[in-house]
Amino acid sequence: EPEVTQTPSHQVTQMGQEVILRCVPISNHLYFYWYRQILGQKVEFLVSFYNNEISEKSEIFDDQFSVERPDGSNFTLKIRSTKLEDSAMYFCASSEQALVGQETQYFGPGTRLLVL
Amino acid sequence: AQSVTQLGSHVSVSEGALVLLRCNYSSSVPPYLFWYVQYPNQGLQLLLKYTTGATLVKGINGFEAEFKKSETSFHLTKPSAHMSDAAEYFCAVKNTDKLIFGTGTRLQVFP
Repeated sequence: EPEVTQTPSHQVTQMGQEVILRCVPISNHLYFYWYRQILGQKVEFLVSFYNNEISEKSEIFDDQFSVERPDGSNFTLKIRSTKLEDSAMYFCASSEQALVGQETQYFGPGTRLLVL
Repeated sequence: AQSVTQLGSHVSVSEGALVLLRCNYSSSVPPYLFWYVQYPNQGLQLLLKYTTGATLVKGINGFEAEFKKSETSFHLTKPSAHMSDAAEYFCAVKNTDKLIFGTGTRLQVFP
């Protein structure tokens, strides 16, 4: 069964450093998402991406964050200058459609980011 | 704005007992509702979803949920818990193209 994959599974970085989290969505999916889950808190939406542009972003997704689909398979989340509060589990998700409300989003296993 | 509330951050049941995980939603439009499960060190897996039509929705692993508009609820149930059901369960509502999650309920199953 196709699945969303994410690399790395864990990343430790120093405050102020740039990190890039990578995701390979399911191959025929067109809509891509990033969510995060700070330890002990709820899963929060960060950004959605379609047709090579951001379709929606949350207030968390400020200028320190960017997303890119550099080729036909990868979808990346870059944090330009990490802060301690960026420590969280980051989930990538993809779906075939988005505007059809019942469309299922398929999640990857997550990348646990720790900022020291 | 749409939101979901999950009552009970932890639920403990004995193996073979009924599982009931509560979710209430707030939505000004007919909601699309989802239950996801997260096993330790894994991602979120869809259990079931409600879109339109039948209000009792059956999902994987013997779980089901009933959409009750009058109660704005979408509680998740399973008649008989299994040890392998131990996990964190998230209720979510779809808002445009994003999911809005509840805070999650951790289910423990005792032998």
